[in-house]
Amino acid sequence: SQKIEQNSEALNIQEGKTATLTCNYTNYSPAYLQWYRQDPGRGPVFLLLIRENEKEKRKERLKVTFDTTLKQSLFHITASQPADSATYLCALRENRRGVGGGADGLTFGKGTHLIIQP
Amino acid sequence: DTEVTQTPKHLVMGMTNKKSLKCEQHMGHRAMYWYKQKAKKPPELMFVYSYEKLSINESVPSRFSPECPNSSLLNLHLHALQPEDSALYLCASSQGETQYFGPGTRLLVL
Repeated sequence: SQKIEQNSEALNIQEGKTATLTCNYTNYSPAYLQWYRQDPGRGPVFLLLIRENEKEKRKERLKVTFDTTLKQSLFHITASQPADSATYLCALRENRRGVGGGADGLTFGKGTHLIIQP
Repeated sequence: DTEVTQTPKHLVMGMTNKKSLKCEQHMGHRAMYWYKQKAKKPPELMFVYSYEKLSINESVPSRFSPECPNSSLLNLHLHALQPEDSALYLCASSQGETQYFGPGTRLLVL
C-alpha cells in the first residue's frame, strides 16, 4: 500500500540553527512532492513544490531536496526563528485521475511539529 | 483575491440536525476539494470537484453530501452526523499542482 512517512512527530531546534525534516514514501512514483505549513486551527499553506527531475529547490530560508532513488525528500529551514514553529506536512498527489480525467487530491504525511526555541 | 473563505468558522450540531458548510474562491480555480482533519492527524481527502463535476468521492458516507453550484462555490451538506464526525473541515482549490486551503470549519457533533 502507499505510505508517506515523516519520521519525527516533533522536533525541537534552537533559534538560529538549521531545522531538517524528512519525508519518505513507498509505492508512489510521484511527478512532484509538496511541502505545506500548518498552524494550529488553520488550513495548510503551500510552501514549496519539487519535481521528480529537480534535485533541489530554494525559497528564501527554505530548501527542499528530492531523491527519487531513496524515495525521500528533505526540508530545511536555515537560520530558524521562533515564528517558524508550526507543523510541516509533506504531500503527494494520488496516483490516479478522477472521473473524466479531473483533478487529484493530495495525500499528506502525518506532519512534523517543529518548535524553535529562543 | 487570493484566498479561500469558509463559513461558518465554528459549528455545533446535534445528530438529527441538517446543516451546510460553505466555501468560496475567486481565483478562477476549476478544481475544488473537501478534506477532513481530526486532531493531531493530517488532512484526509473527501471529495474532489473538477469543472463543477464530482470527480472523486473517497468512499465518504452519504450523510455528507457535496454540491458545487458554480465554479466559485462549494458546499458540504451535513445530515444525521455522528459524534465521530467532529473535526476540522477544510476546503481547498487549485489550478495546477498547488492547493490553496481555507481556514476550515471546526465542527462539533453532539
